[in-house]
Amino acid sequence: GDSVTQMEGPVTLSEEAFLTINCTYTATGYPSLFWYVQYPGEGLQLLLKATKADDKGSNKGFEATYRKETTSFHLEKGSVQVSDSAVYFCALRVKAAGNKLTFGGGTRVLVKP
Amino acid sequence: DGGITQSPKYLFRKEGQNVTLSCEQNLNHDAMYWYRQDPGQGLRLIYYSQIVNDFQKGDIAEGYSVSREKKESFPLTVTSAQKNPTAFYLCASSLADSRGNQPQHFGDGTRLSIL
Repeated sequence: GDSVTQMEGPVTLSEEAFLTINCTYTATGYPSLFWYVQYPGEGLQLLLKATKADDKGSNKGFEATYRKETTSFHLEKGSVQVSDSAVYFCALRVKAAGNKLTFGGGTRVLVKP
Repeated sequence: DGGITQSPKYLFRKEGQNVTLSCEQNLNHDAMYWYRQDPGQGLRLIYYSQIVNDFQKGDIAEGYSVSREKKESFPLTVTSAQKNPTAFYLCASSLADSRGNQPQHFGDGTRLSIL
């Protein structure tokens, strides 16, 4: 079946540090890949997406590149802020699976001033 | 503004009681979804609906029921058969998606606790 594996958190960083959250996947078909962010007590917000190999999704300074050869979609940001503290979820979606999202376990990121 | 509204934000259930969580969207989306999130864990799919009057079980449907009588609404009932209902419940919706690349949009969630 389809699955997503993320690095376990929490990840604690200082402001302006470089952030990487690893995400790898297995999929029965050709997936679209997503990163969602969840702030405390809230629902999930779409952060970025990529729908085919070598696509780069980007938003709010975050980037992730769809790497088919390594089945990865790692999230990066060059200089984090305190406001980036949240839980980040990697997810995939396969058309043949009825458009259901399969989520990773989430990675909590804490940015300290 | 378009969006997804979940209510209530907090809900308490007594033993043996059924409770219903509301989810309404005004995004004109065809598909709607219910997820359960347990502390420190990812989301698991309970039920989903791709079109009015039709829905399918997700990965953890036991103890839950849904209906889809209107495009805008997808209520979730947590029945007394669900023995461990304490969790954060998230509703989502998306456009009909023949290519599998449409994102899902989420509500702010309902936190259910057992008294």
